[in-house]
Order: sequence, then C-alpha cells, then structure tokens
Amino acid sequence: KAGVTQTPRYLIKTRGQQVTLSCSPISGHRSVSWYQQTPGQGLQFLFEYFSETQRNKGNFPGRFSGRQFSNSRSEMNVSTLELGDSALYLCASSLSGQGAREQYFGPGTRLTVT
Amino acid sequence: EDQVTQSPEALRLQEGESSSLNCSYTVSGLRGLFWYRQDPGKGPEFLFTLYSAGEEKEKERLKATLTKKESFLHITAPKPEDSATYLCAVPETSGSRLTFGEGTQLTVNP
Repeated sequence: KAGVTQTPRYLIKTRGQQVTLSCSPISGHRSVSWYQQTPGQGLQFLFEYFSETQRNKGNFPGRFSGRQFSNSRSEMNVSTLELGDSALYLCASSLSGQGAREQYFGPGTRLTVT
Repeated sequence: EDQVTQSPEALRLQEGESSSLNCSYTVSGLRGLFWYRQDPGKGPEFLFTLYSAGEEKEKERLKATLTKKESFLHITAPKPEDSATYLCAVPETSGSRLTFGEGTQLTVNP
C-alpha cells in the first residue's frame, strides 16, 4: 500500500507571496492532519480535516488555511509568507481520527522563505 | 494542556551499548502514547502505540514500555543504522491532535 505523499518536496518563496502544499493520504484513510516542524518549536499541530471538514485547529494565524477534497486529498495554503514560515511542513493520515489512531506521516515539504 | 518532555536531548552510544530514552507526559486522560523515529529531512516513521500502564511493544532492537507517568524506549545492542531522532507523542483528549516531545537525537558510533 502506498504511503502518504506530499508535493512539492522543496519550495523557495519570497516574503509576501503565497504557497499551496498538497498531501495525498494512504488509501482508505479519511483523516489528514498538518504539522509544522522547526528546530526551535518542534512539531506543532496546524489543523485536521475529516470528510472535507476542518475538525480541529492549532494556534496558528489565519494566514494558514487548508481544505480537503472528496477523495481525502488535502491542500494547505499559506498567504503573505513571512521569514518565520520557513519550516518542514508534514501531513499525516489516519483511518478516522477518532480515538488514539496511529498517524502516518509523509516525507514533508521543505519551505524556505527568503 | 497536554505536555510531553523527552530526555536526554541527545545521546551518543557505541555500537552494542544498550540504553533507554525517556518520555514523560502530563495529560488529563491518556488515550495512548506513540513513538516515532525521524531521520534527517524525512517525515516521522511510526514505531509503536501503547495504550495502558504495563504494556510493552517490541520491534527488532527496540522495546517500548509505559507507566502511568512516562514511557521508555529501550534500545538493545544498537547499530549505527539506529541513529535518528526518536519522538514520542500523545493524542489530545478530545481529538486526534498529537502533542509531541522535542525528541531525543540518538547517534550510534561504529
């Protein structure tokens, strides 16, 4: 079974621009969560989508948004990029998200903002 | 608010030298504890889920154990390929959000 895939793997953007990242979950998984990983803050939860609905949201500004499609694929958008948005963005999928279900991570998208 | 603390931050071992990593947690109601391995520039790789105190899980040279306040990841006779950052995480009580510890960076020298 194919794992979680993320595109693109690497991205370089300029301050003020916007970016869209994509995540395809494991087949059959309906929950997709997004995390930001930085050396100083570690892994921080951004949001979770289930059945095309945002079910949970972390403490990030409104510039960070996402959506999920009917095939469970998810996209994350960051508008008006800031230097501090440089990070590894990870998505994780799980079967339903209810209960303590294991989350399986993709390889991440490395975003560099200059 | 859930809190997860891992120690040590970094651990350097010689090949074959066994040791343990610690993950202490403070949660309102434990719904499970996850261990992940992360190699540089890659996403975390799922290792174990533990649900209740006293539970143990094993995989090759790794064994994870759980008490009411902490979890240990025991590494027996490690090899250089075990070098990675090991992360533990707990799911929040009301949803699937994971709270991660800062990780232990393990280096195994040949």
